Amino acid sequence: DQQVKQNSPSLSVQEGRISILNCDYTNSMFDYFLWYKKYPAEGPTFLISISSIKDKNEDGRFTVFLNKSAKHLSLHIVPSQPGDSAVYFCAGGGDGQNFVFGPGTRLSVLP
Amino acid sequence: DADVTQTPRNRITKTGKRIMLECSQTKGHDRMYWYRQDPGLGLQLIYYSFDVKDINKGEISDGYSVSRQAQAKFSLSLESAIPNQTALYFCATSDGGGIGTENTEAFFGQGTRLTVV
Repeated sequence: DQQVKQNSPSLSVQEGRISILNCDYTNSMFDYFLWYKKYPAEGPTFLISISSIKDKNEDGRFTVFLNKSAKHLSLHIVPSQPGDSAVYFCAGGGDGQNFVFGPGTRLSVLP
Repeated sequence: DADVTQTPRNRITKTGKRIMLECSQTKGHDRMYWYRQDPGLGLQLIYYSFDVKDINKGEISDGYSVSRQAQAKFSLSLESAIPNQTALYFCATSDGGGIGTENTEAFFGQGTRLTVV
């Protein structure tokens, strides 16, 4: 049973528009959530995180929203740029717990 | 120099052979992880270690073993490689975390592409 789900394997967005990547989780013990970005032939790199006690965290063009009651989080990228094209992984973590990753969503930002 | 270094970066090996993937880190983190990535499955945890004396199985540990030689080194071994272990393997490190911690993150190496023929 997947603890972290990303139901959209891929997403295409026009440059300059908003990209919204979604993630659902089942483990109520997660203390925080993270988004990672992965380019081909590279390791995942950390993008942004959010604590379970918050509902929003913003860093430049990237904003993560957390809806604990729905066990849902989303990553918004505004405006989207071609360099944002990558695979995005959502992950849950916590003190004493491992990071659990979703299967990833491949974002393509079209010029 | 990379904070998390994996060697080798690529390896082709034959079925039944023993192979070791090595990971070293300069972050000073206590926690280290081995993941494998398969298309459509994301990153699956193989083994993790919260400190030198603490090693634990992850979701898919069968067929793998690990050794935490020092705080900075965590090796993954395939005792008898089989073709379905063909995958991209990532080592990662992190410090501790907890409620209210927004900046705890895992740092990944660049990956080892392993092919078992």
